[in-house]
Amino acid sequence: GIQVEQSPPDLILQEGANSTLRCNFSDSVNNLQWFHQNPWGQLINLFYIPSGTKQNGRLSATTVATERYSLLYISSSQTTDSGVYFCAVARTNAGKSTFGDGTTLTVKP
Amino acid sequence: ETGVTQSPTHLIKTRGQQVTLRCSSQSGHNTVSWYQQALGQGPQFIFQYYREEENGRGNFPPRFSGLQFPNYSSELNVNALELDDSALYLCASSLDGELFFGEGSRLTVL
Repeated sequence: GIQVEQSPPDLILQEGANSTLRCNFSDSVNNLQWFHQNPWGQLINLFYIPSGTKQNGRLSATTVATERYSLLYISSSQTTDSGVYFCAVARTNAGKSTFGDGTTLTVKP
Repeated sequence: ETGVTQSPTHLIKTRGQQVTLRCSSQSGHNTVSWYQQALGQGPQFIFQYYREEENGRGNFPPRFSGLQFPNYSSELNVNALELDDSALYLCASSLDGELFFGEGSRLTVL
């Protein structure tokens, strides 16, 4: 199956700093999503981005499908951005996605 | 709010018991997937249901089984519970390639 590697595993920032999270995957995919998992376990959809670039407020994401990686950018980080960020990919059927192990982000005031 | 609801939110069982978890998918979504998330790891795909039939399974033993009903809601059943089954169980529905998750059911096996 597809292997998904996220880096870094842990990231600690001061409020206001910028960060870049990376997701590498081992095979071509037609589905890629970024999620933020809150402290209660809920997976919040950030981006559905199998290719290209998208922006939503302070967050943006870029997927270079031909090189099998995706990047999530967080600018002017806030304490509420803390949590675990997951990348999930699938070849065809999104319901059978493979997740990375996540990046745990801690934003300090 | 994803429109995917799960119950119960928390439950405690003992080894050897059986558990049933429930999921109502987002309106109009006819595909439901179940994932297991152990502490400190990413979610792992258990199986998917489409039009009441199992449509793919991950690396989980047969004691993990499921159902999908005509209204597209779904159940996950786990028999002969083991300590390692302690995890967050997530249900997701999908539409046009995008997954939408419920809040999960946190199972503790003692």
